[in-house]
Parts: sequence; structure tokens; C-alpha cells
Amino acid sequence: SQTIHQWPATLVQPVGSPLSLECTVEGTSNPNLYWYRQAAGRGLQLLFYSVGIGQISSEVPQNLSASRPQDRQFILSSKKLLLSDSGFYLCAWSVRGIQETQYFGPGTRLLVL
Amino acid sequence: AQSVTQPDIHITVSEGASLELRCNYSYGATPYLFWYVQSPGQGLQLLLKYFSGDTLVQGIKGFEAEFKRSQSSFNLRKPSVHWSDAAEYFCAVGAGNNDMRFGAGTRLTVKP
Repeated sequence: SQTIHQWPATLVQPVGSPLSLECTVEGTSNPNLYWYRQAAGRGLQLLFYSVGIGQISSEVPQNLSASRPQDRQFILSSKKLLLSDSGFYLCAWSVRGIQETQYFGPGTRLLVL
Repeated sequence: AQSVTQPDIHITVSEGASLELRCNYSYGATPYLFWYVQSPGQGLQLLLKYFSGDTLVQGIKGFEAEFKRSQSSFNLRKPSVHWSDAAEYFCAVGAGNNDMRFGAGTRLTVKP
């Protein structure tokens, strides 16, 4: 069966520090991969999605970036965190096609101080 | 681009009462529609989805949703709410460009 992992589960970082969040999927090949951010009391905001290795689409201009170095690995990064980057970051995967269900990881709670 | 509106930020119902969560979408073609549920501090779990065919869709945990094209709506319903249904519910619309748009969510509180 397929599983999706995210780490770390919780992260507290100072403003201006770098960020690296990792997401890996097991049990499937060539998935679509997604990064979402959920700010406190707000819905999900799609940040990036990827349909293949090295293929990243960005939905929102920001100081975050994403990379997909391997088929089942999706990394969210920042060179310098802002206070506004605090939130709950969710990774998801789906088989190809937008009609397919997205399966979400457990999330990473990021607090920037 | 597609968009989703969930008009109710927070709803409180008594245990055993019926529930309806509203969702309206904007998209030029027939959308792919989803309802997800999120328990506190957790990821999202799919409740049900609609692509085509019968406009009344049955999901897990006793939930159902009805697609009404004339109203651009996809409301989620449950005849009798259980305390374990307390969570946040998200409506989402998918389009042909490989992305998904989520509504802002509706938080459900269940009173004993």
C-alpha cells in the first residue's frame, strides 16, 4: 500500500534562517506531488505541484521554493524565513490526473519566531 | 481559474441532528469536486468525490453530497451527526491543469 511521510513534524525556526521540509512517498511510481500551506484559521493554499522529476509549477510568488530530486521525493525550501511563513505545511500525492484523489501526509507545523 | 467558496466558517450542531455544509464553485467546465475532512493537527482525508454521472454521491462515514450544476454547488450532508464528526471540512475543485483549489474550510462543532 502507499504511504506518505513528512518530516519534521514540528519545527521552530528564527526569522532569516533557512528551511528544508521533506516529503517522500512509498508504494507508487510517477505520482503528482503537491505542497500546501494552511495558515491558522484559513484554508489550504497550493504552493507548488510537480508532475515529474525536476518539474515544478509554482502557484504563489513567495520566498519559498520546491524541488523534486527523485521520483518520490518532494522538498520545500527557503533561504530566509519570514514571520509570515509560519503555518501548517501539507504534502500530498495523487496518481496522474486531477480527477484522482489526493492523499495527504501528516503535515509539518512551522513556527517562525 | 477555478475557485471554491465555503460560506460558513464555523457551524455548531447537536449530536444526532442533521448537517449540511455548503460549497459553491466557479469553473467554466464540468469540475471535479471533492470533500475532505481534517481532524485537529492531522492531514486531510477524502470523504467523497464527484466526476460525472449520478449527481448524488455517497461517501465514507455516512456522508453524501449533491452536485447541482444550476446552482454551482456541491453541498455535503449527513442525516445524523456523531460527536466524532467534529473536524474541519474542506470542499475542493480540480481542473484540467493539474491543480486543486480548496475552500477556506468549515469548522464543525458537535454539542452533546
